[in-house]
Amino acid sequence: KAGVTQTPRYLIKTRGQQVTLSCSPISGHRSVSWYQQTPGQGLQFLFEYFSETQRNKGNFPGRFSGRQFSNSRSEMNVSTLELGDSALYLCASSPSGQMGTDTQYFGPGTRLTVL
Amino acid sequence: AQRVTQPEKLLSVFKGAPVELKCNYSYSGSPELFWYVQYSRQRLQLLLRHISRESIKGFTADLNKGETSFHLKKPFAQEEDSAMYYCALSGQGSYIPTFGRGTSLIVHP
Repeated sequence: KAGVTQTPRYLIKTRGQQVTLSCSPISGHRSVSWYQQTPGQGLQFLFEYFSETQRNKGNFPGRFSGRQFSNSRSEMNVSTLELGDSALYLCASSPSGQMGTDTQYFGPGTRLTVL
Repeated sequence: AQRVTQPEKLLSVFKGAPVELKCNYSYSGSPELFWYVQYSRQRLQLLLRHISRESIKGFTADLNKGETSFHLKKPFAQEEDSAMYYCALSGQGSYIPTFGRGTSLIVHP
């Protein structure tokens, strides 16, 4: 079974630009979660999608958004980039998204650098 | 609010020594606790969850609700255990995890 894939792996943008990151979950997984990982804040939950609907959202500004397609692939978008958005963005998929029973499988991450 | 604290950024031990990675949490309801591990150049992966009560790679973790802790233990550390370990918490039936800052475990030969 192919693992979770994320594209691109590395990205350099400048302040004010916007960026779109992509995540392809494991086949059959309907839940996709996004996380931001920084040295200062650690690993933080951004949002979770299930069957094309945003089911849960973390405490991030509205500049962070996402969507999920009918094939469960997901994208996240960050508009008006700030220096503080530089981070590793991780995507994880699981069959149903329930933490207690499902196992989340993580992708390799997209390293975003904002200059 | 839910919070996970891993008090040690770095834990350094010698091969064969016992290991205990500490995790304390704050949560008002019934928590579900997890340990994740990230080996060098590998992806973050689930190591174990308290609900399963299983031992993975010789690691065990017991949920102590009185002390609000979920420490990860292994009686004899191996060099291949060197990795970054993250403790995480979610509410029962939840889809939202809260992660600790992680502890880097280094096992010396």
